[in-house]
Amino acid sequence: EAGVAQSPRYKIIEKRQSVAFWCNPISGHATLYWYQQILGQGPKLLIQFQNNGVVDDSQLPKDRFSAERLKGVDSTLKIQPAKLEDSAVYLCASSLSGQGFDQPQHFGDGTRLSIL
Amino acid sequence: AQSVAQPEDQVNVAEGNPLTVKCTYSVSGNPYLFWYVQYPNRGLQFLLKYITGDNLVKGSYGFEAEFNKSQTSFHLKKPSALVSDSALYFCAVRANSGYSTLTFGKGTMLLVSP
Repeated sequence: EAGVAQSPRYKIIEKRQSVAFWCNPISGHATLYWYQQILGQGPKLLIQFQNNGVVDDSQLPKDRFSAERLKGVDSTLKIQPAKLEDSAVYLCASSLSGQGFDQPQHFGDGTRLSIL
Repeated sequence: AQSVAQPEDQVNVAEGNPLTVKCTYSVSGNPYLFWYVQYPNRGLQFLLKYITGDNLVKGSYGFEAEFNKSQTSFHLKKPSALVSDSALYFCAVRANSGYSTLTFGKGTMLLVSP
């Protein structure tokens, strides 16, 4: 099966600019996650979708970050305006169902964001 | 709040020797526990999970992990390390009831020397 697809792989922008990331999960996976992975740390959940509804966005900095999954398939994560501390790898993951907490998540290769 | 501790930033082992990567956790109630591996410039790959039952869990690429409830630990093991096992390993936990996010440790770099 095809894995989780993310683009772009790398992005360099200046602070206060905006940026968007795209994710296409594994076919049939109802649950989609966006994580932020700062160098030297484990991934931190930003937002979780179940189909096209938000399950958890408690750790999403909503003053600058937004995400959508309009048709319950692919998703975009946007940052506007970017700050230096947003430099990180942004990982998208999917799983069959968020209700099955024992199900593993499948990760894309991420987008490495550098803020100048 | 749930948490994961991976006390070693790096583990060094010679090829052919057994390896152990340590993980301890804290969670309300019973845990679901996971190990993931991350190669350079790649996403995380699922290795194995503990849900219930046998405390020794077998996973991909010859890895296994031992769940110890009294010590709240879930150490990753492999009997004979390969150079290709060199990567960053993450332990993760979530509660097995109610809504719970997956909480990751900070990761342990495993370096296997030839």
